[in-house]
Amino acid sequence: DTEVTQTPKHLVMGMTNKKSLKCEQHMGHRAMYWYKQKAKKPPELMFVYSYEKLSINESVPSRFSPECPNSSLLNLHLHALQPEDSALYLCASSQEGVYGYTFGSGTRLTVV
Amino acid sequence: SQQGEEDPQALSIQEGENATMNCSYKTSINNLQWYRQNSGRGLVHLILIRSNEREKHSGRLRVTLDTSKKSSSLLITASRAADTASYFCATDDSNYQLIWGAGTKLIIKP
Repeated sequence: DTEVTQTPKHLVMGMTNKKSLKCEQHMGHRAMYWYKQKAKKPPELMFVYSYEKLSINESVPSRFSPECPNSSLLNLHLHALQPEDSALYLCASSQEGVYGYTFGSGTRLTVV
Repeated sequence: SQQGEEDPQALSIQEGENATMNCSYKTSINNLQWYRQNSGRGLVHLILIRSNEREKHSGRLRVTLDTSKKSSSLLITASRAADTASYFCATDDSNYQLIWGAGTKLIIKP
């Protein structure tokens, strides 16, 4: 299995909702990432988990809460989001950056 | 993360022609990577070149790296309609943080 699987592919949520994005990989990669991407822009790093521990938090607002239940799973919990949080959220994994990152196909999030 | 620069921002060529994209960066690197992104989809890793390498090939892709000029280029030969996508370079300093270029939007006209 050489894929990163993200669910759901699309999500529309209200500003008072709570939702979660899920990411799964079975390549044995020890680093997993959440990125946010706005249209026509490169991805922006949000969080990095290394060996299931949060190692980087790029000053992301607390309405985004990451969780790494095990070495194969990564969640992003969303609460009280703003319309400007609407974006493509990408999960990625890597074997310590040696061979490049494997990205999921993303979750297109719309906050209404 | 501070962005690198890519040029051109957009490139439109005829099918069969070669496409060249350039990337410049600012800090020392461990490696430089190129990714492709089809509209609204995830990024696909194309090729990684290490800081001690000068050129690398993968199929129709050729990547060069000049660490003295802090620049890289991606050449796609014999372009196809399926190559239409955005292409991003990203530098890796081994600190789990890729620094991304702004991207080049490539359009292949049939």
